[in-house]
Order: sequence, then structure tokens, then C-alpha cells
Amino acid sequence: AQKITQTQPGMFVQEKEAVTLDCTYDTSDPSYGLFWYKQPSSGEMIFLIYQGSYDQQNATEGRYSLNFQKARKSANLVISASQLGDSAMYFCAMRGMETSYDKVIFGPGTSLSVIP
Amino acid sequence: DSGVTQTPKHLITATGQRVTLRCSPRSGDLSVYWYQQSLDQGLQFLIQYYNGEERAKGNILERFSAQQFPDLHSELNLSSLELGDSALYFCASSVGLAAYNEQFFGPGTRLTVL
Repeated sequence: AQKITQTQPGMFVQEKEAVTLDCTYDTSDPSYGLFWYKQPSSGEMIFLIYQGSYDQQNATEGRYSLNFQKARKSANLVISASQLGDSAMYFCAMRGMETSYDKVIFGPGTSLSVIP
Repeated sequence: DSGVTQTPKHLITATGQRVTLRCSPRSGDLSVYWYQQSLDQGLQFLIQYYNGEERAKGNILERFSAQQFPDLHSELNLSSLELGDSALYFCASSVGLAAYNEQFFGPGTRLTVL
């Protein structure tokens, strides 16, 4: 069965500092995609970054980068130069591409608070 | 603004009732996903449609059903509502089926069952 674990229910970071949000996953699917989403207090879900299981390089999107360690089954999100607007819930998600095709599962989320 | 629209924004109803949630995907997107977000269950994938056909099913109850119409908008029907169905229901769309196709989420419909 597929599972996403986010062990940090809440995190604090100083403005302008970098922060790492942890995500570990479990799947028997040989091919899968990993995603991070941001959910501000307003409620909308915002896509941040995608990493394919066969991608050779770690994904980056502006201030967001994904530290993908396939052997450890981890896909940690790194936010550099934190801003006050980064305060939100962050969800790690996985989507299978073969045996669990199109099934999407989400982790429980990490609440990030950026301190001025 | 993601380009995905959902109506209504809020819905309050009673147990045993039936409601319909509507979603219009981004222009050009063929794939529509429905998700449920509740305090106790977190974010749950319900169902996916692609170009009018059901593509994948997640944790969708038998009391719930969905469809995607020829104009690609989608509706999620919830019947025999229970208190536990109170949640935020998201619709998302993507251009295709590939896992790397980014999903764009709508603002959600908040359902309250009294």
C-alpha cells in the first residue's frame, strides 16, 4: 500500500532563513511522481514542485527545491530565503504511474510559520 | 487564480439530503480530479475523469458519484448526507493523464451537514 509520512506537524523559521520540510513515502510502484502543495489560510491548494521517480536531477522551482533520495524514499522540500507569505500548510503527495496508476495520496501536512 | 472554478463556494444542508458540486476545469484541461479535505481524514483523492470517462477511483463512498460532461465540466453528487461528510471539496484539473501534469486546484466548496 502507498503511504506518505510527514513527521513535522509544525515548523517555525526565521524570515530569510532556509527551511526543510520532511516527507517520506512508501510504495511498491516502480514508477511514481512526488508533489508538494501549499495551502495558505485562505484554503486554496497551490502546486509548488514535482519530482519524477526516474528523474536524475532534483527538481527546483524558484525558491523551492526538492531533495530527492530515492533509496531512502524521501522527498524533502527546501524553501530558501523564507518570506512571511510562506506561512501555510504544506502537503507532500504521491501519484503512482504503473500498478497504482492515477491514485493520488497526500501526507498529513506540515504547518510552517515564518517569524519576522 | 488557478483558472478552475467551483460552485457553490459554501453549502449548508441537512443530514439525508443530496447536493451537487460543480467544477469547471481550466481551458484546455481534459482531466478533472475530485478531492475531499476533512479534519479527521486529511486530503483524500476521490475520483478522476479524463475527457468524459472515469479514469481512477480513490476513497469515494458509494453514496457519492461524479461525472464529466462533453463540455468537460464535472459534477460531484453527494447523497444521503451524513455529519461526517462535512468537508472542503476540491476539484483540480490537468491538461493530461501523465503524473507530471501539474494539477491546478479550484478554490473548493465547503460543505456543512447539520
